[in-house]
Amino acid sequence: AQSVTQLGSHVSVSEGALVLLRCNYSSSVPPYLFWYVQYPNQGLQLLLKYTTGATLVKGINGFEAEFKKSETSFHLTKPSAHMSDAAEYFCAVSEREYGNKLVFGAGTILRVKS
Amino acid sequence: EPEVTQTPSHQVTQMGQEVILRCVPISNHLYFYWYRQILGQKVEFLVSFYNNEISEKSEIFDDQFSVERPDGSNFTLKIRSTKLEDSAMYFCASSAQEVTEAFFGQGTRLTVV
Repeated sequence: AQSVTQLGSHVSVSEGALVLLRCNYSSSVPPYLFWYVQYPNQGLQLLLKYTTGATLVKGINGFEAEFKKSETSFHLTKPSAHMSDAAEYFCAVSEREYGNKLVFGAGTILRVKS
Repeated sequence: EPEVTQTPSHQVTQMGQEVILRCVPISNHLYFYWYRQILGQKVEFLVSFYNNEISEKSEIFDDQFSVERPDGSNFTLKIRSTKLEDSAMYFCASSAQEVTEAFFGQGTRLTVV
């Protein structure tokens, strides 16, 4: 069965600092991996996804993530945090052979300090 | 930009009452999903729907739950007899193909009192 672990339920960074949100997954088949962002009182918005091919994927708002099969990780990074990045971030996995059911991690709340 | 639309945004219902949550998926999408997020907990998969039938459902999706695509545009989730523990944010999602990204609606916050 698939599972996702997000290390750190809360991450706090200063504006302009590096953002690193950690995600490790478990999957019995090659996974599809996703990062979603949820702003307060809003739905889930896709930031980026990994399906096949290049392991470093770029998303919206300057975020990127790297799929590392050997580490079963898909960490999300952004070189320079902006106040508008404050939100909750969810990593999710889908086992491509079995449809698009997404299994989500518990989420990481990102706080950006001025 | 096409989007998934959910109504209502908030619903308060009494325990034991039936509730229907409505969703209008993106028009050319073929796969439809319901997820829920109990306050402070993970987003959980409930059910996926394709070609007018359920393709997968979770343990949460018991006999109290049903889904329907009544008119080719709406996609509904019905909870027959609500319980306090059904209080959650319910998200509808749709995708064009089975293994492309799902687009989520804004959610319906259901409060059972």
